[in-house]
Amino acid sequence: EPEVTQTPSHQVTQMGQEVILRCVPISNHLYFYWYRQILGQKVEFLVSFYNNEISEKSEIFDDQFSVERPDGSNFTLKIRSTKLEDSAMYFCATTRTGGTSGETQYFGPGTRLLVL
Amino acid sequence: AQSVAQPEDQVNVAEGNPLTVKCTYSVSGNPYLFWYVQYPNRGLQFLLKYITGDNLVKGSYGFEAEFNKSQTSFHLKKPSALVSDSALYFCAVINWDSNYQLIWGAGTKLIIKP
Repeated sequence: EPEVTQTPSHQVTQMGQEVILRCVPISNHLYFYWYRQILGQKVEFLVSFYNNEISEKSEIFDDQFSVERPDGSNFTLKIRSTKLEDSAMYFCATTRTGGTSGETQYFGPGTRLLVL
Repeated sequence: AQSVAQPEDQVNVAEGNPLTVKCTYSVSGNPYLFWYVQYPNRGLQFLLKYITGDNLVKGSYGFEAEFNKSQTSFHLKKPSALVSDSALYFCAVINWDSNYQLIWGAGTKLIIKP
């Protein structure tokens, strides 16, 4: 069964450093999402991406965040200058046709980011 | 505002007994509802969903969920719990106002005791 993959599985970084989280979507999926889960809290939507553009972003997704699909395969989330409060598990999710038909979002295993 | 509530932080069940994990929702459009499970240090795995049709939805690992429109609920159930079912369970709903992203409940920790 096809899977969404994410790298790295864990990342430790110093405050103020840039990090790039990578996701490889399921091959025929066109809609991509990033969510995050701070330890012990709810899963929160960050951003959705379709056709090389951001479709929607939450208030969490401020100017320090960016997403791109640089090579038609990977889907990346960049945090330019990390803060302590960015420490969380970051999940990538993908769907083939978006949510209008209730299609399931398939999630990767997540990247656990720790900012020191 | 659209929301999902999971009223129980934790549910404890003896192995072999039936289990229920509760979820209620509030949405502006049709309620497209999902259950995901998260095992320790793992990602979110899809269990089942309700889009339309039969109110009783069957999913992976013997789980099922019942959609109740009048009570705005979508409780997750299993007739006979296994110790391996112990995990964190999340209910989610499609956000019709915001490009179909998922809105999540807070999660319920399910502990199955031998």
